[in-house]
Amino acid sequence: GAGVSQTPSNKVTEKGKYVELRCDPISGHTALYWYRQSLGQGPEFLIYFQGTGAADDSGLPNDRFFAVRPEGSVSTLKIQRTERGDSAVYLCASRAQNTGELFFGEGSRLTVL
Amino acid sequence: EDQVTQSPEALRLQEGESSSLNCSYTVSGLRGLFWYRQDPGKGPEFLFTLYSAGEEKEKERLKATLTKKESFLHITAPKPEDSATYLCAVQILGGSNYKLTFGKGTLLTVNP
Repeated sequence: GAGVSQTPSNKVTEKGKYVELRCDPISGHTALYWYRQSLGQGPEFLIYFQGTGAADDSGLPNDRFFAVRPEGSVSTLKIQRTERGDSAVYLCASRAQNTGELFFGEGSRLTVL
Repeated sequence: EDQVTQSPEALRLQEGESSSLNCSYTVSGLRGLFWYRQDPGKGPEFLFTLYSAGEEKEKERLKATLTKKESFLHITAPKPEDSATYLCAVQILGGSNYKLTFGKGTLLTVNP
């Protein structure tokens, strides 16, 4: 597809369960970002990948959150032992080399019951 | 601590009624200021980047300006399709590439 693709679009899970959220960036974009957006708030930075490596993971709230990008394209955000406070929309964005424009996906809405 | 504050939180306009949205920032050093538009259930969509005080950019009915402490998004003769949440974000000098700190946004409603 032409844009950033995120799956699933909606995920409902129970407290304590494990969740994976997937992001397929725009082809050729080397930079990939994960943000989290709670209701009524702006997006909050989680982690940034340049290629396969996490260049900045300072926004991950705790060690229950982990993200990978093994081949420098698709990325997976993994959340262990989910808590109700993890409920939010998780946004992925990608960026072409030498440009400042982030292209966002539509997000994965996570609800933890 | 780096902060981005947007005002008002919500704004209702009649079609054709021009107005401005404000984004004030307190940062250790500004590399760039970004404006995004977000429709309900969608991801943010890039509008503008401003890098230095005095810079202005325009796109259709929107014009963004930047000073050393704030940015304005001016909307001229808005239409109902301009209704959306407008997000402001800053990139900090010395920060990782295009890691953005966002404000909470301004929800704009334009009535026909």
